[in-house]
Amino acid sequence: QKEVEQDPGPLSVPEGAIVSLNCTYSNSAFQYFMWYRQYSRKGPELLMYTYSSGNKEDGRFTAQVDKSSKYISLFIRDSQPSDSATYLCAMASQYSSASKIIFGSGTRLSIRP
Amino acid sequence: GAVVSQHPSWVICKSGTSVKIECRSLDFQATTMFWYRQFPKQSLMLMATSNEGSKATYEQGVEKDKFLINHASLTLSTLTVTSAHPEDSSFYICSAQGGIPSPVNEQFFGPGTRLTVL
Repeated sequence: QKEVEQDPGPLSVPEGAIVSLNCTYSNSAFQYFMWYRQYSRKGPELLMYTYSSGNKEDGRFTAQVDKSSKYISLFIRDSQPSDSATYLCAMASQYSSASKIIFGSGTRLSIRP
Repeated sequence: GAVVSQHPSWVICKSGTSVKIECRSLDFQATTMFWYRQFPKQSLMLMATSNEGSKATYEQGVEKDKFLINHASLTLSTLTVTSAHPEDSSFYICSAQGGIPSPVNEQFFGPGTRLTVL
């Protein structure tokens, strides 16, 4: 079993829709949960991070962590064509160079105008 | 924000040749640099972690003699793929960490280098 599972998609939604992206994980030691956005042929860019359980909101983006279910989500409201990218969830037990970041395989998202 | 560059952005080489990929942190000093490999539609797989001036730490299953990493300064790390073969074809991404005040110890990623071995 992979440490982090993420549906690869692709996911295609119309502009303005609410998008829900999800990951599950198996390692209960993970404390830091991140979402990265990766455009085609580019490196990943950190979108949001959360520590432990709970919600975090940043503009149109909301990250949710449910440690009891080992399940994390990223919601995108009022989705725009510019949101079209691959979204990778990532996790670490510590936020330091001593702790590996484990990435999901990424979900390819396409927002139709 | 922190900028990390990679050179070249893509390279095509013949089987058996060696290829060097550079990773530079342009506006900050990176105490730690990471090298990842990404196959199509798959996640980033960490290959090695390197700290300036010391030997890189390789992940299990990564051949250190095949993937030579040098972190000679706080702004430059290089990955050399020696005697490349077609199975080494992949997208190689570096990231850099350190030197920037941040609530989290964020890794800043380069744009990646696509290697194709014929």
